[in-house]
Amino acid sequence: AQSVSQHNHHVILSEAASLELGCNYSYGGTVNLFWYVQYPGQHLQLLLKYFSGDPLVKGIKGFEAEFIKSKFSFNLRKPSVQWSDTAEYFCAVRGLTGGGNKLTFGTGTQLKVEL
Amino acid sequence: ETGVTQSPTHLIKTRGQQVTLRCSSQSGHNTVSWYQQALGQGPQFIFQYYREEENGRGNFPPRFSGLQFPNYSSELNVNALELDDSALYLCASSLGPLQGGNTEAFFGQGTRLTVV
Repeated sequence: AQSVSQHNHHVILSEAASLELGCNYSYGGTVNLFWYVQYPGQHLQLLLKYFSGDPLVKGIKGFEAEFIKSKFSFNLRKPSVQWSDTAEYFCAVRGLTGGGNKLTFGTGTQLKVEL
Repeated sequence: ETGVTQSPTHLIKTRGQQVTLRCSSQSGHNTVSWYQQALGQGPQFIFQYYREEENGRGNFPPRFSGLQFPNYSSELNVNALELDDSALYLCASSLGPLQGGNTEAFFGQGTRLTVV
């Protein structure tokens, strides 16, 4: 079975601070990895995705994530956060080898950026 | 906006009742998945429909059922509602079943179900 662990449940940062949100997954085979963001009152939006190739992927709004296969990790980073980044962030994995058709999500990290 | 629309946006039901939630997928998408997001949790996979047939199911009891129509829209039905069914129900559409890999799921805004 596949699972996802997000280490930080609540993060508070000042504007311009750097962000790193941890994500580790458990799955023995090939995976697709995703970060989704949920702004207050809005739908889940895809920030970035990893399918294959370069393990450093860049997404929208200046976010990036690095897939480290040996550590089963897919941490999200942003060099300088803005107040508008306040939202909940979800890491998700899809196992491609008998993993079924589902996305498995972590419990989410609530990010608050203060002015 | 993703083009995935769900209705209704909010719903209050009494324990024991039945509920039907609806989802219209993004244009051109033939696969719909349903997720339950309880307060403070990440979304949990309920099931997926591809070409009008169930194509994968999560750890949910049979009282959670669904349908997909020829236009790829979908319904989620929940019978014998329980208090723990209170959650945000999310619909996601994609181009092709997700087990093929390398496909994205686009989510609707969800239906907030409250069971009292």
